[in-house]
Amino acid sequence: DAGVIQSPRHEVTEMGQEVTLRCKPISGHDYLFWYRQTMMRGLELLIYFNNNVPIDDSGMPEDRFSAKMPNASFSTLKIQPSEPRDSAVYFCASSTQRGQLLRQPQHFGDGTRLSIL
Amino acid sequence: KNQVEQSPQSLIILEGKNCTLQCNYTVSPFSNLRWYKQDTGRGPVSLTIMTFSENTKSNGRYTATLDADTKQSSLHITASQLSDSASYICVVSSGSGGSYIPTFGRGTSLIVHP
Repeated sequence: DAGVIQSPRHEVTEMGQEVTLRCKPISGHDYLFWYRQTMMRGLELLIYFNNNVPIDDSGMPEDRFSAKMPNASFSTLKIQPSEPRDSAVYFCASSTQRGQLLRQPQHFGDGTRLSIL
Repeated sequence: KNQVEQSPQSLIILEGKNCTLQCNYTVSPFSNLRWYKQDTGRGPVSLTIMTFSENTKSNGRYTATLDADTKQSSLHITASQLSDSASYICVVSSGSGGSYIPTFGRGTSLIVHP
């Protein structure tokens, strides 16, 4: 099993630019999660999908953030326009819940380290 | 407000020694508690998941306990190894059915010295 694959691993861009982070979940997993991690705030859940449908996006900080899951094997998190305070490590995770969302482990990718100058 | 507090913030131990990390929470309604290990530069890896009815769960040298009455959990590491050096994160979830509402602790940074 290849695990959750995120790209790019590192992204450095200037303020105001559009940033797109990508995630390929583990095949067969029906839940996908996007998280953000900073030194100041720790880990935060941004949004999660079930069967490609967004379930809860209450953690998305602003309208500048958007996430899509066009199919079961691909998701994107987009920031437009980006700001320096968006600098963080963004993680994608996937899980197969078999009807028990709250009892199954989530498998994390190794994250995208985003720096906005 | 839901909160998860972890202690200590950091810990240094010698290889082969045991250690215990603490997690206190005020999350309601409680659904489950997870411990993750996060190596530097990597994503978190799930160690244990416990629901209300479970008070002990083991994963190799890692043993987690849960006291739902006092809202406390601990992660005990036995015979520590250099590879145990990492951040350990406690996550308490509320929600029911298909919902997932996590509250994250800030983590305990563990360093194991030879």
